[in-house]
Amino acid sequence: NAGVMQNPRHLVRRRGQEARLRCSPMKGHSHVYWYRQLPEEGLKFMVYLQKENIIDESGMPKERFSAEFPKEGPSILRIQQVVRGDSAAYFCASSPTGLAGGNNEQFFGPGTRLTVL
Amino acid sequence: DAKTTQPPSMDCAEGRAANLPCNHSTISGNEYVYWYRQIHSQGPQYIIHGLKNNETNEMASLIITEDRKSSTLILPHATLRDTAVYYCIVRAYHGSSNTGKLIFGQGTTLQVKP
Repeated sequence: NAGVMQNPRHLVRRRGQEARLRCSPMKGHSHVYWYRQLPEEGLKFMVYLQKENIIDESGMPKERFSAEFPKEGPSILRIQQVVRGDSAAYFCASSPTGLAGGNNEQFFGPGTRLTVL
Repeated sequence: DAKTTQPPSMDCAEGRAANLPCNHSTISGNEYVYWYRQIHSQGPQYIIHGLKNNETNEMASLIITEDRKSSTLILPHATLRDTAVYYCIVRAYHGSSNTGKLIFGQGTTLQVKP
């Protein structure tokens, strides 16, 4: 059973360009979480999605950021008109359900390192 | 904001037990204690979780005090590969305002030394 996959692993963009980060959850998992880790800082929750639905986007910046998790295919985190402050590691996690406890811990992918020049 | 307090750093000798404390004095009855670790620049790795009973798996043991206001993660025989940042997180059931998301604090940087 493959783990959570993220691509690309490294992404370089110039200011003003768009960045698309992809996350394929573990097989059988229908819940996806995105987290951001700025340099020398801790991980911060961004958004929680189930298939075709955004459940909690309380950690998403109000502008330029969007996320989706279509019925088919990976979850996408999209950043429009990137700025240098968007440079960070973006981690995706998946779980079989959204409940705490039981066997529904979140499994993290290796992350995408975004560098904005 | 994180609802846990951890020491910023700890050292441990290779082969010895590493005991990482965590205070969560405001924990609610429906909140679990989770532990994750992040080895340099990798994705966080799940270690263990518990509600009120002590738990053990192949990686670690989790000791939760009777009043549930604190817990200790125990790595029984630390190796150099256990050097990482360890995060203690309290997490509520879906249906609360948490919606299952993990709220990371600053964690404890554990340095295992030869």
